[in-house]
Amino acid sequence: AQSVTQPDIHITVSEGASLELRCNYSYGATPYLFWYVQSPGQGLQLLLKYFSGDTLVQGIKGFEAEFKRSQSSFNLRKPSVHWSDAAEYFCAVGAFRAGTALIFGKGTTLSVSS
Amino acid sequence: GAGVSQSPSNKVTEKGKDVELRCDPISGHTALYWYRQRLGQGLEFLIYFQGNSAPDKSGLPSDRFSAERTGESVSTLTIQRTQQEDSAVYLCASSPQALGEQYFGPGTRLTVT
Repeated sequence: AQSVTQPDIHITVSEGASLELRCNYSYGATPYLFWYVQSPGQGLQLLLKYFSGDTLVQGIKGFEAEFKRSQSSFNLRKPSVHWSDAAEYFCAVGAFRAGTALIFGKGTTLSVSS
Repeated sequence: GAGVSQSPSNKVTEKGKDVELRCDPISGHTALYWYRQRLGQGLEFLIYFQGNSAPDKSGLPSDRFSAERTGESVSTLTIQRTQQEDSAVYLCASSPQALGEQYFGPGTRLTVT
């Protein structure tokens, strides 16, 4: 079955500390991977995407993610977290073909402590 | 340019009533998606429109749910005879092509009392 798992429901990190949010997927086709961020009361904003090429992708707001095919993972990282990064983060997977909706994980809520 | 817009932002309705939710995609985006986000859950795909092709309705949870889109413009999601389990945030997304990343609107929060 196609699915996305985000094992951590809630993570708290100190401001300035590094961050890694985990994402594992199960997908029958070549995956097209995304990370989105959702601030309270807001829609989803695309942080970064991976389709092919370099397995380390850079996104907005200083985020990066690494695709590891052998582990079926696409973990999101940031070297130094800011208080404004507190939000909910969603990993999603889709196929590179027409008409495919994204499959989303249940999200990880990030809290940032001072 | 303008992003995806949705209206209303909030809707409270009584059980059994019909509701219509509207989505204005980014101009020129051919693909449009509707998702549902229940509290504490990820996004569930509902329906997909691509240009003038027949929509993919495979995610609609029941025949009470329907959606329309005229060409590459506005889409309306209709829920008939609403139930309490329909309470959720309904998100619309558009994409410049069938394979591109999706740009999301702010959502409509539906509460069925």
